[in-house]
Amino acid sequence: DTEVTQTPKHLVMGMTNKKSLKCEQHMGHRAMYWYKQKAKKPPELMFVYSYEKLSINESVPSRFSPECPNSSLLNLHLHALQPEDSALYLCASSPRGRGPYEQYFGPGTRLTVT
Amino acid sequence: ELKVEQNPLFLSMQEGKNYTIYCNYSTTSDRLYWYRQDPGKSLESLFVLLSNGAVKQEGRLMASLDTKARLSTLHITAAVHDLSATYFCAVETGNQFYFGTGTSLTVIP
Repeated sequence: DTEVTQTPKHLVMGMTNKKSLKCEQHMGHRAMYWYKQKAKKPPELMFVYSYEKLSINESVPSRFSPECPNSSLLNLHLHALQPEDSALYLCASSPRGRGPYEQYFGPGTRLTVT
Repeated sequence: ELKVEQNPLFLSMQEGKNYTIYCNYSTTSDRLYWYRQDPGKSLESLFVLLSNGAVKQEGRLMASLDTKARLSTLHITAAVHDLSATYFCAVETGNQFYFGTGTSLTVIP
């Protein structure tokens, strides 16, 4: 299984809502990533989990809260978002501790904040 | 901070023509990746280049890596409409990936 899955595919939420994005992989990868991508821009790294521990947090506002319950699952909890947070949210995974560290991307969640 | 620059940012080319996209990065890294992204879709891995002088080819696309010059190229041969997409290079160091600015390619019949 060489697939990263993400749910939901689309999400519309108000600024007072709380929602979560989910990402799952069963490739045995020990690094998982959250990226935010605005239209016509490259992906921006948000968080990196390595061996289920948060290793990189790229100064992301606290209204985004990541969680890695186990080595296959990555969540992104959303609360009190702003309209400018509307974007495509991509999850990715890669092997850790051995190369090559090729990233496998999920299909993304298209988030709209109203 | 590692910087990754691509050029051109936009490329419009006729079917059948050849062209090269360039990816320059600012610090030493031995691992470079090329991705394709169609509008509204996720990133699709095209090539993984792991060492100086690495060259990989798939269909009409060929990627190369010169780590001494900190330069990778993505060469398009005899372009077809299906290649229209945005292409990103990414440099990996310390399990962190730094993406280039992207090249939006449009192939015109």
